[in-house]
Amino acid sequence: AQKVTQAQTEISVVEKEDVTLDCVYETRDTTYYLFWYKQPPSGELVFLIRRNSFDEQNEISGRYSWNFQKSTSSFNFTITASQVVDSAVYFCALSEGGRNTDKLIFGTGTRLQVFP
Amino acid sequence: EAGVAQSPRYKIIEKRQSVAFWCNPISGHATLYWYQQILGQGPKLLIQFQNNGVVDDSQLPKDRFSAERLKGVDSTLKIQPAKLEDSAVYLCASSLDRGGGTEAFFGQGTRLTVV
Repeated sequence: AQKVTQAQTEISVVEKEDVTLDCVYETRDTTYYLFWYKQPPSGELVFLIRRNSFDEQNEISGRYSWNFQKSTSSFNFTITASQVVDSAVYFCALSEGGRNTDKLIFGTGTRLQVFP
Repeated sequence: EAGVAQSPRYKIIEKRQSVAFWCNPISGHATLYWYQQILGQGPKLLIQFQNNGVVDDSQLPKDRFSAERLKGVDSTLKIQPAKLEDSAVYLCASSLDRGGGTEAFFGQGTRLTVV
């Protein structure tokens, strides 16, 4: 069965703190893709990153970084020096390759609140 | 580049009434998705179109939900009759093509409240 677990329901930090959002996934496929999306109060889901199952290199984009570890089936997301504009709900998602559907299987999301 | 457009943004109806949502994907995007997001949960795929053909509707409650994508562009999602548990945000998304790992672009959603 395919499943994405985001155990942290809500995280509150003060501006400039670093914060890590956890994501654990389950899949039987050897080819799959992992995503992070941001959902601000306006409602749309904003794409942040995609990784495929064959690329375990960590990635850094500005204040954002992602740590993909197949050994623990985790794809964690770290925001360095958080800012108020980072406040949103963050979703981790899984997409399995080689099937008839490209559906994204989402976790339940982590609400991040960054206070000034 | 214009994003995915959805209307209406908000809708309140009574149970057993019908409702329809409209989606205009990004120009040139062949694949269109409808997701349902219940409060406190992640989005769940209802239906996926490739041009005007259905790729996956396995999680669409077909006794009350229907969707169409005429001419492979705009799409409408209909609920008839609505139930209280249909209260959710309905998100439309589109992608340039298919294939695992394809980036999907989402609209702002339609928030449906069934009373």
